[in-house]
Amino acid sequence: SQQGEEDPQALSIQEGENATMNCSYKTSINNLQWYRQNSGRGLVHLILIRSNEREKHSGRLRVTLDTSKKSSSLLITASRAADTASYFCATDEGGSYIPTFGRGTSLIVHP
Amino acid sequence: EAEVAQSPRYKITEKSQAVAFWCDPISGHATLYWYRQILGQGPELLVQFQDESVVDDSQLPKDRFSAERLKGVDSTLKIQPAELGDSAMYLCASMSKHEQFFGPGTRLTVL
Repeated sequence: SQQGEEDPQALSIQEGENATMNCSYKTSINNLQWYRQNSGRGLVHLILIRSNEREKHSGRLRVTLDTSKKSSSLLITASRAADTASYFCATDEGGSYIPTFGRGTSLIVHP
Repeated sequence: EAEVAQSPRYKITEKSQAVAFWCDPISGHATLYWYRQILGQGPELLVQFQDESVVDDSQLPKDRFSAERLKGVDSTLKIQPAELGDSAMYLCASMSKHEQFFGPGTRLTVL
């Protein structure tokens, strides 16, 4: 079963614009993680945010977590064509520490 | 930089044949995961190992799938017999401090 659900399913923007993806989940979590996957490749870990954190930054990435709404967002600022990929959130359900993935958001950044 | 190794990268087989995938996690990582990812969806956990022991294989179709990690290092996932619906990407990951590191995956096509 998939715990997290990303929204939108697909996003198409121009280079330089910001991209925002959302993730909603159902049960309490310890951690929420965001991953990137280029077409036909393995997943690359982007950011881990713990349940007691509200915001984290890494370069052009900003992740927020709202545990009251059971949701997270990933913001990519000043997007580049190389950011074209699928982005997944993964949550661990109720203390299991087993990451469960959503269906992902497919991001296309046009040069 | 240490990486998770997987082989083969691509495998084409006919239904009813046996296939095997190999994974070598990052040295020192005790936790190893096998995921299956169908095109357009997120990865779904098949089995989790802690050292040589299976922690969770509740989603592993045990009538045809088997996984082992005999010495607590590398791991093998086997499918026998393969079915058309097994066509997917098979991903291996190892974990350190709640961060998963994924291998490049094995793309299986069953004809």
